[in-house]
Amino acid sequence: QQPVQSPQAVILREGEDAVINCSSSKALYSVHWYRQKHGEAPVFLMILLKGGEQKGHEKISASFNEKKQQSSLYLTASQLSYSGTYFCGSDSGNTPLVFGKGTRLSVIA
Amino acid sequence: EAQVTQNPRYLITVTGKKLTVTCSQNMNHEYMSWYRQDPGLGLRQIYYSMNVEVTDKGDVPEGYKVSRKEKRNFPLILESPSPNQTSLYFCASSLTTSVLSEQYFGPGTRLTVT
Repeated sequence: QQPVQSPQAVILREGEDAVINCSSSKALYSVHWYRQKHGEAPVFLMILLKGGEQKGHEKISASFNEKKQQSSLYLTASQLSYSGTYFCGSDSGNTPLVFGKGTRLSVIA
Repeated sequence: EAQVTQNPRYLITVTGKKLTVTCSQNMNHEYMSWYRQDPGLGLRQIYYSMNVEVTDKGDVPEGYKVSRKEKRNFPLILESPSPNQTSLYFCASSLTTSVLSEQYFGPGTRLTVT
């Protein structure tokens, strides 16, 4: 079952912050985040493990709340290059990763 | 350069005409997978392979076949394509079969079935 991402789309001005959420109805062992720019392939951002710490990538960080079965991706001081569609992938143990429907992020000047 | 390649990148075909989309990786990865991407539906897995001669169905396998005879190649076969298979297809690979391994995606194949 696909994890649920929210919001579906968000528009930011350069320098603003955003949070993208990813929720699963199943217990999660790990959560993966990928970014896809328009017309390109998805690119790996980070993996968060159950019991692991919050991870970061440039000005993009994420958290993983096992009890709530959700993860949040934080984008701070957004740049034009952050525009794209962000996908979370949920891992419920011994099964292939299942991706959410994506959150389209647009950063404008 | 480490990469996943797909061919063709664009394909327009007619209903019922068998086609194959090739996928190759040069990173000696064990795990390979096929996804389709449709507007509003995200990435949905079609088939995956944990190693040579080991394949399994993903979430949307109907109408597709795969094979993994060599570690580097994982072709996607549509024996009788239909218009509902019009989509953007991505092949991906990862170093290990562990779901903790990051996936590398190919550039995508845009398929139109008329």
